[in-house]
Formats: sequence, C-alpha cells, structure tokens
Amino acid sequence: GENVEQHPSTLSVQEGDSAVIKCTYSDSASNYFPWYKQELGKRPQLIIDIRSNVGEKKDQRIAVTLNKTAKHFSLHITETQPEDSAVYFCAASREGGGFKTIFGAGTRLFVKA
Amino acid sequence: NAGVTQTPKFQVLKTGQSMTLQCAQDMNHEYMSWYRQDPGMGLRLIHYSVGAGITDQGEVPNGYNVSRSTTEDFPLRLLSAAPSQTSVYFCASRLSAAGGEKLFFGSGTQLSVL
Repeated sequence: GENVEQHPSTLSVQEGDSAVIKCTYSDSASNYFPWYKQELGKRPQLIIDIRSNVGEKKDQRIAVTLNKTAKHFSLHITETQPEDSAVYFCAASREGGGFKTIFGAGTRLFVKA
Repeated sequence: NAGVTQTPKFQVLKTGQSMTLQCAQDMNHEYMSWYRQDPGMGLRLIHYSVGAGITDQGEVPNGYNVSRSTTEDFPLRLLSAAPSQTSVYFCASRLSAAGGEKLFFGSGTQLSVL
C-alpha cells in the first residue's frame, strides 16, 4: 500500500538557522504533496503544497522541492523563528482519482532563541 | 462559517463501552475522513467518504464504523472500545472527492480508554 516516510523525527535548530525536513513516498501515481504544521494542542493546518508538474515552490521563508524520479520531497524553512516550533507533517495523494491522503510520521521542530 | 466541527473534545471510556464521535462540516465538502494521531506515528487514516452513502476503509479501520447519510455529517463509531484506541482523533474534509486539495481539520477529540 501507499507509504510516506519522513525524517528526521526531531529537529533542533538555533533561531535564524535553516531547517530541512525530508519525505519519500511509495506510490508513483502520487501527484499532490502538501505540508501541514501542527502547533501544540491545535489542529494541523496547511502551510504549503506542491504538485508534480513543478519542482519547487516558495512562500516567503518556506519552500518545498520535489524530485519525482527519486520520489523525494523536502520542506525548507529559512531564518527560523521561535514561532516556527511545531510538528510538521508531509503527505502525498493523487489529484484526479485517488481518495486517500497519506501522512508521514511527523517532525517535531524546536527553534531555540 | 464554522468549518469542521468535532464533538466531544475529550472523552474517557471503559474497555468495552461504545461511543460515537461526531463530525460536521458546513462547507458543502464532498470528501470527509477520520484520522487518529498517535505519538511517533503521524496521522493514520481510519475511514473516508467521497459523498453521501459512500464510505471506504483507510489504513487502520479495524474497530471503527462510519456512515455518511448526509453531506454534512460523518460520525465515527467505536463499537467496543479497547485501550489500543486511546488516541487523538481528527475529522478532516475537502471540497472535492478527486483529491489534490488541502484538508480542513476539526479541532480534535482526545479519547482515553481505560
């Protein structure tokens, strides 16, 4: 079945440094890759997504890259701030025919002031 | 606009008891789903629905039942609760059944089974 692996499980960075979270997916038909942020005690919320027809997407301090051949995608956060501390989930699904969104196990990011 | 509403927020059950977690959305979304969140295991899909009268199993469906009699509501039933079902449960919906869109999550239900 479909599987999404996410690494690392925990990441600690100094404020101002960059953070990178990596995911791999198993279903080659996956073509939509969202990233969700979950603050402590809150619900997950979408922060950025990418479709398989592009290799990179940026939104201010966050960016996502996709390597379809290797079935890898990554989240990059630059100039990290304490409010970036949260759990981040990657996910994979199919646009136009698949119904399931499968999530990675999550990465707990700590940004130290 | 309420979005996705889940009730209750907290629940404690004894082993063998049954209960229903409620989920409602007011966005006319076709697709609704239930996830459970356990430490170190991310969000795992329990059941999903692509429209009224249509449901299907996700990754971890055992011990749970669902039904979708209306577009708005998608309750999750635990017929005989077990300690392994202690978890945080999230209902999530999106506009289209076809995928490729973000999920809107409810606020979650923290369930403890003793």
